[in-house]
Amino acid sequence: DGGITQSPKYLFRKEGQNVTLSCEQNLNHDAMYWYRQDPGQGLRLIYYSQIVNDFQKGDIAEGYSVSREKKESFPLTVTSAQKNPTAFYLCASSWGSGQTEAFFGQGTRLTVV
Amino acid sequence: AQSVTQLDSHVSVSEGTPVLLRCNYSSSYSPSLFWYVQHPNKGLQLLLKYTSAATLVKGINGFEAEFKKSETSFHLTKPSAHMSDAAEYFCVVSHLDNYGQNFVFGPGTRLSVLP
Repeated sequence: DGGITQSPKYLFRKEGQNVTLSCEQNLNHDAMYWYRQDPGQGLRLIYYSQIVNDFQKGDIAEGYSVSREKKESFPLTVTSAQKNPTAFYLCASSWGSGQTEAFFGQGTRLTVV
Repeated sequence: AQSVTQLDSHVSVSEGTPVLLRCNYSSSYSPSLFWYVQHPNKGLQLLLKYTSAATLVKGINGFEAEFKKSETSFHLTKPSAHMSDAAEYFCVVSHLDNYGQNFVFGPGTRLSVLP
């Protein structure tokens, strides 16, 4: 089945640690996105990528980093510089044209302990 | 600049009664608009989309939405609510920026369905 796979579903991080969230898609989509969702709030864009080896900062990129070495993969690293990383993280992909929808993974819930 | 307003943060209806979730958008040009649903601790699922074809769009699970350019609205409706419809709903506008396609999300409307 085609789709987007995020792993792990739950992740716990100690203060000062970096953690990496995985996002893989087999839809052959060009564009991939990372969003952060806090309780009762909408989605805020962290980073997005339209092609391999290129990506752009979104609205809340500070404390995060990404890579796009392969078309199907777009991992997100939450660094120790992110002051409040506890949130629900969603990865999405699309064809990258103006009229196509985004497809979402099931999310990763990150908790700082 | 594009933006999306969802006029109600929470809507509560009784099972079997109609659902109306309101969405207004602002866009510099002809927009592509979407409604997504999110159940707790899950990803977002596409309900329906408008991409400049028919203004009345039918989606999954009996939902539909009407694009009204003069009112810059894209309200989501369903004739009869079911308990399984209880979830968070997001109105989304897509646009192309200097880099590529981007999506702007509304803040969401939480739908409660009472027995």
